[in-house]
Formats: sequence, structure tokens, C-alpha cells
Amino acid sequence: AAGVIQSPRHLIKEKRETATLKCYPIPRHDTVYWYQQGPGQDPQFLISFYEKMQSDKGSIPDRFSAQQFSDYHSELNMSSLELGDSALYFCASNRGTEAFFGQGTRLTVV
Amino acid sequence: KQEVTQIPAALSVPEGENLVLNCSFTDSAIYNLQWFRQDPGKGLTSLLLIQSSQREQTSGRLNASLDKSSGRSTLYIAASQPGDSATYLCAVTADNYGQNFVFGPGTRLSVLP
Repeated sequence: AAGVIQSPRHLIKEKRETATLKCYPIPRHDTVYWYQQGPGQDPQFLISFYEKMQSDKGSIPDRFSAQQFSDYHSELNMSSLELGDSALYFCASNRGTEAFFGQGTRLTVV
Repeated sequence: KQEVTQIPAALSVPEGENLVLNCSFTDSAIYNLQWFRQDPGKGLTSLLLIQSSQREQTSGRLNASLDKSSGRSTLYIAASQPGDSATYLCAVTADNYGQNFVFGPGTRLSVLP
């Protein structure tokens, strides 16, 4: 069965650069969530979208923005990267109840 | 603000043992509770979903229970195997439209052969 696809799987950027993370939800899932998991920490909610509209916002820095497109895929745009942005970024999707997570994008800022 | 805690933080058991992982949440107004497994540096794999109206769910050797009024859930793993070694996270979704997850810190399980 198709799962949530995230790309790239790994990304290395320098401080002050920008990064774009992509998420392709499971077909027919209308809700997408983004989470950030720092080293040794539990995942923290960043932002979510339902039917291409932002539905909830968590601890997302102002330097980050995200959107959901007409095909339901989502992109997380990160600017002015800082060392502390190094983390595993997860995308999840659902339609109703159970959420399914992607394998994550590991971002390393050097 | 919803807070989720998990006990124990780490657990090491010999193969074949039955074990229980505990999850507590401060706000009982939850929509769902979901248990996940995470291998080191990997993604989250959904194990069991319990909706707020349910008391328990079972999948193979796993059984999860939910006591919403007391803010507790347990994950029972029967006949543990070395392949069960991973971090187990519980997460709750709030009783609102956004349904974003609040995660616990996880229990790191090691099953020794």
C-alpha cells in the first residue's frame, strides 16, 4: 500500500541558507501535518493543512512557511537556517482517524 | 495545555517476557490516542489507534487500553522478541478540528536475546 512519501530523505545546508521539504500524502488523504523532532526529543507539531487550507499552527518559527497544493502534496519552506534547525522533519497524513507518518527528512545545518 | 508522559523512560527485558508500557495525559478531552514505534533515526510506524469511545485495541502480540477519564493508556507486549527493540511513543489528538498530535517522550525498549 502507498505510504506517505517525503523528499529528500537527507539534506545538508549551511547556516542562513534555505531549504524546501516535500511531502506526498497517502492518496485520498486530505490532511497533512508537519512535525519536527530534535535529537533525543519527541516530535513537536509545526503546522497542519486540511483541504489546502492551514488548519492548525504549532511551534513553527516565523522563518518557516508551508503550504498544501491542489494535488494535496505539501512543502515546508525554511529560510535563514540556524544550527538549531537540525532535526528530523516528519510529515503525516490522514483522512479521518488514524494518521500515518512518512520516514522523515533529516536536515543537518552546518 | 496537553502534556503526555511515559513511564518507564527505558526498559530492558530478556526475550519472551510480557511487558507493559504506560502513557499518561493531563487533559482527558482527547479525540484519539495512537501508539507508535520508532527505530533509531527512522520514521514513526503506527501500531494501534484507540478512538476516545473505545477501551482497547489489539493487533497480534500488542494490546493497548485506554482509560480516558483517568488520562491513562497502556501498551501490553506479549512474548517480547529482540525485534521489538525500539522506542515506543504514545500520542494524543485534541478534541478539536486540527487534531494535531501531542507526543510523549517515549519508552526505549531493549529486548535481549
